[in-house]
Amino acid sequence: DTGVSQNPRHKITKRGQNVTFRCDPISEHNRLYWYRQTLGQGPEFLTYFQNEAQLEKSRLLSDRFSAERPKGSFSTLEIQRTEQGDSAMYLCASSLLAGGGTGELFFGEGSRLTVL
Amino acid sequence: AQTVTQSQPEMSVQEAETVTLSCTYDTSENNYYLFWYKQPPSRQMILVIRQEAYKQQNATENRFSVNFQKAAKSFSLKISDSQLGDTAMYFCAFMNRDDKIIFGKGTRLHILP
Repeated sequence: DTGVSQNPRHKITKRGQNVTFRCDPISEHNRLYWYRQTLGQGPEFLTYFQNEAQLEKSRLLSDRFSAERPKGSFSTLEIQRTEQGDSAMYLCASSLLAGGGTGELFFGEGSRLTVL
Repeated sequence: AQTVTQSQPEMSVQEAETVTLSCTYDTSENNYYLFWYKQPPSRQMILVIRQEAYKQQNATENRFSVNFQKAAKSFSLKISDSQLGDTAMYFCAFMNRDDKIIFGKGTRLHILP
């Protein structure tokens, strides 16, 4: 296993367009997290999944944001009608909880979104 | 709601010195986990050290150790014999009973040669 993979690594889009990011977690991990990070700041929680179930979505997220994990494996994060304020690094992380997991998050390299 | 506060935006120390990064948190829960993560420049975030709240003994990992004060809700990270490779952003993180993990705003640490 090569770790958590995120695609695309960098997306440049015009305001008003839709974008989708994909995250492939470590295969046996049952938890998957999405965070947003702006330059020089800490990761801001967006949402997380236990297998295919979405457990919580941040109240900071508008209805333009949606995330799925349809088969409990990979996940997608879609942003509709992008705004310049959506420009950020979107981080995905996975972990194994219950049955011996430690709660340690394994992060991908992130997907950087630039909205023009 | 839980919060994590890191009051030191940036720090610099000489190589081989010891440095302590501060973190405080707020929660009404009794059982939880605390973490320190490291994010080197343009690289992925990785775990440095982990502490379970029910354990009184402070966690240690080689040159990294924590001072966990549960009553004060304080969780500081001490880096001994600092190395140039320790230069990074350091984030304190809290995991609640629902396994939701939130992060502080980070401390940028510079190790000077």
